[in-house]
Amino acid sequence: GESVGLHLPTLSVQEGDNSIINCAYSNSASDYFIWYKQESGKGPQFIIDIRSNMDKRQGQRVTVLLNKTVKHLSLQIAATQPGDSAVYFCAEVHPRTSYDKVIFGPGTSLSVIP
Amino acid sequence: DTGVSQDPRHKITKRGQNVTFRCDPISEHNRLYWYRQTLGQGPEFLTYFQNEAQLEKSRLLSDRFSAERPKGSFSTLEIQRTEQGDSAMYLCASSLTRGKLFFGSGTQLSVL
Repeated sequence: GESVGLHLPTLSVQEGDNSIINCAYSNSASDYFIWYKQESGKGPQFIIDIRSNMDKRQGQRVTVLLNKTVKHLSLQIAATQPGDSAVYFCAEVHPRTSYDKVIFGPGTSLSVIP
Repeated sequence: DTGVSQDPRHKITKRGQNVTFRCDPISEHNRLYWYRQTLGQGPEFLTYFQNEAQLEKSRLLSDRFSAERPKGSFSTLEIQRTEQGDSAMYLCASSLTRGKLFFGSGTQLSVL
């Protein structure tokens, strides 16, 4: 079936260290990938995206890497802060004739140790 | 606040009852999605609207589930004859561009 998976369900990092969250996707037709952050009691929030014609994209303290050969996506967070503690989801976008279906992976829970 | 709003935030109901949830998307967004999320899992796609047209329903949606988006504005998700397995967080999201979804805070449904 359709899936975007990981997997390391939980990740603990020391404050100030860099975090790397990994994701494996299954659909080679997906051409757009997005990382979302979900804090407790809230809906997922867009962090950063990358299109399939790119292999790296940087934002503020975050970098997304895409390896289409092995269908792997990663999110790197620099100088992790306590406010980064959340569940992180990768999502892939399947192009369709009528609309674009967004499929989420199961998520990684990031805990930042002060 | 001009984000996506969902109502109610929490709903407790008895098995067999009907429930209805409302989603108000960001006003200029023509795309609207419903997802369901259980503890420790990623959001699962339920249905999608482009303006008022419902373009896809997941096979997760049994006949007890129905969604509407009259006039392409707010949307409602109704669950009839609720079952304990329906207990979950129901998330609504809207978007203007592909893939970049703006989520509400969800409606947490508990079926007793």
